[in-house]
Amino acid sequence: DTGVSQNPRHKITKRGQNVTFRCDPISEHNRLYWYRQTLGQGPEFLTYFQNEAQLEKSRLLSDRFSAERPKGSFSTLEIQRTEQGDSAMYLCASNHGETNTGELFFGEGSRLTVL
Amino acid sequence: AQSVAQPEDQVNVAEGNPLTVKCTYSVSGNPYLFWYVQYPNRGLQFLLKYITGDNLVKGSYGFEAEFNKSQTSFHLKKPSALVSDSALYFCAVRDGAAGNKLTFGGGTRVLVKP
Repeated sequence: DTGVSQNPRHKITKRGQNVTFRCDPISEHNRLYWYRQTLGQGPEFLTYFQNEAQLEKSRLLSDRFSAERPKGSFSTLEIQRTEQGDSAMYLCASNHGETNTGELFFGEGSRLTVL
Repeated sequence: AQSVAQPEDQVNVAEGNPLTVKCTYSVSGNPYLFWYVQYPNRGLQFLLKYITGDNLVKGSYGFEAEFNKSQTSFHLKKPSALVSDSALYFCAVRDGAAGNKLTFGGGTRVLVKP
């Protein structure tokens, strides 16, 4: 069990550029979650998948954000036309929906800085 | 809607003294409650959870938490704090078995001084 892996760990981009983050969950986990965390705040839910289906999206997930999990394994989170307010840590987590009592297993996060 | 409140932004404690980090919650169903710890530039690490049963739950690194239904609280405790316990602590709630996501509090920074 190698844990949840996120790439890249850090991304610095200019306003208006597109960025994509990748998350590889723990292999037997069928649920995958994206959270956003700004400095000094708690993680805020963005979206989650069960297998390849995106089952819930937060109001925080504007039209510039899109997440996919095409084969029910890894997931990508793309942000188009980045804004300075998108600067945050993007956290991915996974668990097994049917056998787990709810705790999430988090990756190290991908930190985005928009200049 | 579910929510979590952590009323203290920071808790300072001397090494060897007891540590308490407060958490209250609001949820419509039966709460599943969690504590996580975060070290600088790292992801969140699971500490412990309450699902059902004994109100006092024990977790990693000597931490424990007490579920109090009447006060809707789930305070984190450690009898004797270590300098290495200095970190950011988050309480989270899920709305029972039917819930699909965790809602986190704003976090409490713990500083343990030698």
